[in-house]
Amino acid sequence: EDKVVQSPLSLVVHEGDTVTLNCSYEVTNFRSLLWYKQEKKAPTFLFMLTSSGIEKKSGRLSSILDKKELFSILNITATQTGDSAVYLCAVALINTGTASKLTFGTGTRLQVTL
Amino acid sequence: DGGITQSPKYLFRKEGQNVTLSCEQNLNHDAMYWYRQDPGQGLRLIYYSQIVNDFQKGDIAEGYSVSREKKESFPLTVTSAQKNPTAFYLCASRRTGSRTEAFFGQGTRLTVV
Repeated sequence: EDKVVQSPLSLVVHEGDTVTLNCSYEVTNFRSLLWYKQEKKAPTFLFMLTSSGIEKKSGRLSSILDKKELFSILNITATQTGDSAVYLCAVALINTGTASKLTFGTGTRLQVTL
Repeated sequence: DGGITQSPKYLFRKEGQNVTLSCEQNLNHDAMYWYRQDPGQGLRLIYYSQIVNDFQKGDIAEGYSVSREKKESFPLTVTSAQKNPTAFYLCASRRTGSRTEAFFGQGTRLTVV
C-alpha cells in the first residue's frame, strides 16, 4: 500500500521563526513529490520535486527531495502570519495501466502567532 | 478563464439519500481525481480517472461511485452505503505524460443530517 506520512501534525511558532516540515513516503513507481498550501478550501501548488538534492526555492519557502532516504522537507524562513495554513505533501506515481495515482499525506497544520 | 468548477459549494442531504457532486474542468486535462477531507485531516483518494470511460478506485472508494462520460466532467455520487458521508470533497485535475501539478476546485462541503 502506498503511504505518505507528514510530521509534525501541527505546529505553532512565533512570527519570524524558521520551520521545517517533513514528508516521508513508501510507494512503488515514484514519479514526483508535490507540496501544496491549503488556507481555506482549494490547495494551491508550491513545488514539484523529481530529482534528489536539487533545492526548489520561492521567496521564503524552499524544498528538497532525498530519493534514497524517501523523504522531502519544506522550509519556511522568517515566518509570517500569512503562512498559517495546512501544508500538504503528495506523491505522484508513474502511470500503471491507464491510471496515474496521486496520494496525499495527512498534512501539517502550521499556525504563526504574533 | 481555465479552471475547475465544483458545484454546489454547500450541500445538505438527509440520511439515506444518494447525492451527486459535480466537477467540471476546461483545462483539457486527462486525469481527474476526487478526494475527501475530514476536519484536521489530509486528503484521502476516493476515485481517479485517466481517460474517458475508465476510472480506478482509490483508498476509500466504498460507498461512492463515479462516471467519466466526457473528458471535462467527473461527477461523484455519494450513496446511502457510505457510512459517514459528511465531509469536504475536493476535485482535482492534471495533465499526464509529463511531470505536472494537480489543480483543485474550490470544494463541496456535504452535510448529511
